[in-house]
Formats: sequence, structure tokens, C-alpha cells
Amino acid sequence: RKEVEQDPGPFNVPEGATVAFNCTYSNSASQSFFWYRQDCRKEPKLLMSVYSSGNEDGRFTAQLNRASQYISLLIRDSKLSDSATYLCVVGAGKSTFGDGTTLTVKP
Amino acid sequence: NAGVTQTPKFQVLKTGQSMTLQCAQDMNHNSMYWYRQDPGMGLRLIYYSASEGTTDKGEVPNGYNVSRLNKREFSLRLESAAPSQTSVYFCASSDQHYRVGDGYTFGSGTRLTVV
Repeated sequence: RKEVEQDPGPFNVPEGATVAFNCTYSNSASQSFFWYRQDCRKEPKLLMSVYSSGNEDGRFTAQLNRASQYISLLIRDSKLSDSATYLCVVGAGKSTFGDGTTLTVKP
Repeated sequence: NAGVTQTPKFQVLKTGQSMTLQCAQDMNHNSMYWYRQDPGMGLRLIYYSASEGTTDKGEVPNGYNVSRLNKREFSLRLESAAPSQTSVYFCASSDQHYRVGDGYTFGSGTRLTVV
């Protein structure tokens, strides 16, 4: 079993849709969680950290469920520019990256 | 503000050749990392340097060596390249190794092909 698992997708959604990604992790002692965005053939960029209480940044909401060991990312009102691969990252320092979930937003 | 700069951006090597990938950051970060990313996969840690003067193995260190030249620079060396090392290599930095609250800053990557 991988330490961090994501549904690879692809998720194909129309503009304006709401889409959610989940990511499960195996190390119950993990304390740090992040979502990164990676555009095709580009470097990953930090989208948001995930806090225990959940956090929101505009159209993006991240949640942490420690009991079930998963984190989620919700994107509301999807834009064409949201098309990318979203990487779940667990741990600080020697972080473990998920393989990513690909999102395509269509007109 | 350059952030993390990697060179070269592209490289083709023959099996058995050696090369060094260069990485420099101008954010005064303490920690630096080398990752590789294979198609359809997440990033895997090769080596990291939690602070100047220290280096440690990551998940996939075989076939690689690193040097933390100073606080700014962290190089990755392939002594005898193999086709299995064909990948995209990313260098990253962070302020503190065990407190990555602000996340990693990545370089733009080196696309390496070994034939």
C-alpha cells in the first residue's frame, strides 16, 4: 500500500462545477498536509496548507479528517484555468507526494 | 526574485556518462531537496540537505551523490548514468526542514534522457 494515495482521475468537469478530491495517508503520526498544483511540464506550486480546523482560500477549501486519515480539496465554481494536476503532500521535511489527480475543466 | 534556479533545463546523456545538475536558491532557505518525477507518478525524494553542511538519503538515492556547496547551492551528480535515471529532476528549498509551513519552492526542473 502506498503511503499517500490519490484517485488519479482524470476528472473532467464543466466550467462552474464543484469538484472534490480525496487523498488518504497511512502514517497516523503525520502532522503536516498540503495540496500542490502542477501544470503540465511545470514545477509543483503550493496551493494551500491543510489545517486541522479546515481552511478556505477563495474557491478552494481543504479539510483534514485524522480519524479516517484523509485530506480533501474542494474546488467551487471551476474555471478553465483550474485544469492541472493536484498533488497531495503529507509530512514536513521528508514529505511524501501522492501521484496526483488530474483535473480538466471544459467550456 | 529568481527563487530556485536549476541548470541545465534539458540534457541527453549516453549510458555510463556522468553529469552534475546544479541548483541555487536566493531565498536564504536552510533546507534543500532533490526530487525525481517519472511519468504519471508523484515526486520521489532522492537526497536532501536539512541545513548547510548536512546531507541525507531520501527514498531513491542509489546512483546519485549530492553536495551542499554552501547555503545557496545544492548539486546532484550522476556518476554513471543509466536509462532508469531518465526522469524530470526538481530541486526544491524550504525555510526549515521539519516545519514546512510555507511549503517548498521548486525550480523549473531538468528533463534528463539517458540513451
